[in-house]
Parts: sequence; C-alpha cells; structure tokens
Amino acid sequence: NAGVTQTPKFRVLKTGQSMTLLCAQDMNHEYMYWYRQDPGMGLRLIHYSVGEGTTAKGEVPDGYNVSRLKKQNFLLGLESAAPSQTSVYFCASSYGQVNTEAFFGQGTRLTVV
Amino acid sequence: KQEVTQIPAALSVPEGENLVLNCSFTDSAIYNLQWFRQDPGKGLTSLLLIQSSQREQTSGRLNASLDKSSGRSTLYIAASQPGDSATYLCAGRGGSNYKLTFGKGTLLTVNP
Repeated sequence: NAGVTQTPKFRVLKTGQSMTLLCAQDMNHEYMYWYRQDPGMGLRLIHYSVGEGTTAKGEVPDGYNVSRLKKQNFLLGLESAAPSQTSVYFCASSYGQVNTEAFFGQGTRLTVV
Repeated sequence: KQEVTQIPAALSVPEGENLVLNCSFTDSAIYNLQWFRQDPGKGLTSLLLIQSSQREQTSGRLNASLDKSSGRSTLYIAASQPGDSATYLCAGRGGSNYKLTFGKGTLLTVNP
C-alpha cells in the first residue's frame, strides 16, 4: 500500500531552471494538496485540487503552477526556479474535505542555487 | 484568517513521563483537527483526527482532545518512550476552501 508517493526525493536546481514535482496517490482520493515547509514558517499551502481537472491557489502560489490531468496524480511545476523556492515540498491527499484524514508523502527536498 | 499556535516549541522529558502538547486556534469554525508526527527528514504521519462534533480520540498511548469553544486541542502521550521523540504538528481544517492550517510544531525529546 504505497499511499502518497513523491518524485523525486531530492533535487538541486540552478536559478532559472525549470522542473516538475510529481505526486501520486493510490487511495482514490479526490482532494490533493501541495505544501512547502520552511524553518520558522511551518507548512504553507501552495496549490490544491478538489478533483480531476481542477486546481486552485493556496497561500503562496506565486512562481508555481499545477496540473491534475489524472485523479491519482498532482504535478507541481516551477517554471523559473529562484533561491527563495529552496524548501521541502510535501504533497497530501484526502478523500473528502471535511471529515477525512489528510495523508502526506515523504517530501521533496529542493535546493535552488 | 485561521492561526494555529503550538506551545511549547520544544519539550524534553525523561522516559516514562506522561506529557501534554498544546495546540490553540483562532477560528472556532473548524471542521476537524488532526495531529501529525514528523521525524527528522521525513514526511508527516497522521496520528489522530478529531471531528468538530467529537471531544476526544484515542489511539494506543495517545489521546487527543478538542474544545472548540476555547479554541484548544491537546495531545496527551502516556508513558513516553525514546521512540516518541519527534516533532508533533497540529492542523485545523476550515475556511471556505477547507484547507489545513498548521501550527509550527512542538519538538519532543524523550530521554532514556
């Protein structure tokens, strides 16, 4: 039972490069989320999706784009990476919005130099 | 805007001690509150979910309570063990987009 799987686990980018982080869940969850975790700032919501084909902005969406072409996958893109995007990125999913648990992936540690 | 605060930021206890971690939130209109554990360099592991209609949930040595009227939740850990050492995070789900708002966590160290 894989749960929520994030790819890659680590990555180093140069400023201006682009990349895509992949999140896959095998629990048939409708809702998926991307968070970033920074020291002293806690976890902050970047973007989220309430179902296949939908996306919405969270607290800190600037510099990121997302897509949810398939229910099980939620992609986070950085078009032109900046050092301020150095962080640990977590994907999460939940079956519903209200009375269900959120499950998290193991994280992607991204460094932008 | 929902704000979640966890006190203390760090806690060190001897093995075997019972302890309480605190979580407070500003908007009582939450749908549920979830407690997570995070080990260094790892993801978040869900420990307990308390629905807004519930007062507490128990799992093994863990007991979480929720008091919406006072905006507080507590996580009680009985007979702590060195393996309980981790960062504990609470998150409230609410608002128009049902998002989870996290506290900054309590770093727990249980000393043998």
